[in-house]
Formats: sequence, structure tokens, C-alpha cells
Amino acid sequence: DTEVTQTPKHLVMGMTNKKSLKCEQHMGHRAMYWYKQKAKKPPELMFVYSYEKLSINESVPSRFSPECPNSSLLNLHLHALQPEDSALYLCASSQEILGTAINEKLFFGSGTQLSVL
Amino acid sequence: AQSVTQLDSQVPVFEEAPVELRCNYSSSVSVYLFWYVQYPNQGLQLLLKYLSGSTLVKGINGFEAEFNKSQTSFHLRKPSVHISDTAEYFCAAMNTGFQKLVFGTGTRLLVSP
Repeated sequence: DTEVTQTPKHLVMGMTNKKSLKCEQHMGHRAMYWYKQKAKKPPELMFVYSYEKLSINESVPSRFSPECPNSSLLNLHLHALQPEDSALYLCASSQEILGTAINEKLFFGSGTQLSVL
Repeated sequence: AQSVTQLDSQVPVFEEAPVELRCNYSSSVSVYLFWYVQYPNQGLQLLLKYLSGSTLVKGINGFEAEFNKSQTSFHLRKPSVHISDTAEYFCAAMNTGFQKLVFGTGTRLLVSP
């Protein structure tokens, strides 16, 4: 299994809602990532988990709350989002955190397209 | 800090023609370079990467790229494109020892019959 699976594929939420995005991989990867991608823009790093511990937080607003309950799962909890948070949210994983091994590559999921009304 | 520039936001080309997508990076000190492709409504897929060694790197789907340290470039090429190559292409760079991959703004390759 060489896939990163993200659910749901599409999500529409109001600004007062609480929702969660889910990401799963069964490749034994120890690093997992959340990226945000606005239309016609490159992905922007949000969070990095390594061995289930938060390693990097790119100054993301607290209305985004990541969680890594085990080595295969990564969640992104959403609360009180703004319309400008509408974007494609991509999850990725790698064997080890980038920069620690010579042969690293990121495996990306297909993303969750989020619309905040 | 590392930065990546893709000057062409869109490259139109006819099927079976050759194509080159340009990428320049800012820092040549121990850099790893990557090309990713993103098809509509999909995540990113690694096409190829340069870590060290030969400056000509071959990837999947017939793509190749050449690392040019003096020009700080890593241009992507394909000798003959197909309609199915229509997608967004992102160049990315990472300074060795750092944990962050920096993406360029992307180039949309449009292949028409």
C-alpha cells in the first residue's frame, strides 16, 4: 500500500462549525505533514509531525489544530474558520522527516477541498 | 532562505512537441531539487529529484531535468509530450539539513492536439 488517503474529499462548513480532516497511511512512515494550497498557488507547509510529535508549526492560526493519534493517522481539527481559509488541504508522509535521510520523498494524498461559507 | 522561481506560469505546446519548463533556485549551497506534477483534483506526485551525482536526472513518464550549479537552474524537459501530460508542474528545493521543502509558484503545461 503506497497511498496516503484523505477524507473527506470535499467539505463545506460554516464559520461556526467544528469539523475534522483525516489522513491515513500504512507505509510505516514516521513523518506526516499538512499543507494548504490555494487555487493556482503552490502548497504551503502548515504542520509537520515526526514520530507522532509536532515538529514544525509554521505559525498557523489556532483555529487549525493538528493531532497525531498514532503513527498511521493525522487529523486536522477545524473551528471558527474564515472564508479565506477555503483551500485544498493536502496531507503528505515520508519515511523520516525531510532533511534527515538522503533518499527522502514526500507521498501526497489527493487532498480535501474545503469551502468555508 | 531558499526560494524557487518558475518564471512561466503557463506553457502551451502541441502534442508530440518537445517542452522545457524552467526553474531557478536561490541558494546553491548543498541543495536538493525536485519536480512534482499535480493533475486536476489530485495531490502532488514526484517526477524526479536531484540529490547528488550526475547532473542529468531521469524521472517517470519520460521527463528529465538537468542540474546546473553555475546557473542555479533545474529545468525540466520532455522530448515529446502527450495530451495526458497536461497538468501543473511544481519545482521544489530543500537545503540539506533543513526540514522544509520550498515550492515554486508552478507552471501549467497545456498540451493540445
